[in-house]
Amino acid sequence: AQSVTQLGSHVSVSEGALVLLRCNYSSSVPPYLFWYVQYPNQGLQLLLKYTSAATLVKGINGFEAEFKKSETSFHLTKPSAHMSDAAEYFCAVTDTGGFKTIFGAGTRLFVKA
Amino acid sequence: EAQVTQNPRYLITVTGKKLTVTCSQNMNHEYMSWYRQDPGLGLRQIYYSMNVEVTDKGDVPEGYKVSRKEKRNFPLILESPSPNQTSLYFCASANGQGSGNTIYFGEGSWLTVV
Repeated sequence: AQSVTQLGSHVSVSEGALVLLRCNYSSSVPPYLFWYVQYPNQGLQLLLKYTSAATLVKGINGFEAEFKKSETSFHLTKPSAHMSDAAEYFCAVTDTGGFKTIFGAGTRLFVKA
Repeated sequence: EAQVTQNPRYLITVTGKKLTVTCSQNMNHEYMSWYRQDPGLGLRQIYYSMNVEVTDKGDVPEGYKVSRKEKRNFPLILESPSPNQTSLYFCASANGQGSGNTIYFGEGSWLTVV
């Protein structure tokens, strides 16, 4: 069965610092991987997705993630945090054949001035 | 504007009183789904639908019903709500057969059962 583990329910960084949100997955087949962001009182919206093309995926708002099959990881990074990046971030995996998308528990990002 | 619309956005109800949360999408998506979001648990899938008249259970279907009579609508029904169904609910849709396709979410419905 697929699963997604996000390390750290809360991450705090200073404005301008590197953002690193960790995600590890387990899947018996090549996965599709996603990062979604949820701003307060809103639904989730797609940041980026990996669908077996380039292993380094660039998304919106300067975020990117690298698929590492050997580490079963899909960590999200941004070189320089901005106050507007404060939100909750969800990693998700779906297999190549199905309709079920499994979400991680989420990581709330705090950005300090 | 492409969107997924849910109603009501906020609801307080009493145990046992049937309620329906409506969901509508204007993107002609075949795939629709309901999730609940609880602190520390992320999003858990309740039910999903691959097309009209085709629905299936997700990971936490107990206490919920759905129907898909039209492509654009996918209501969530709580026949006899209980306090453990207090949660934030999201409706979502996606194009085609799901794999690799972006999921579009509604803004969420806060449900409190007392």
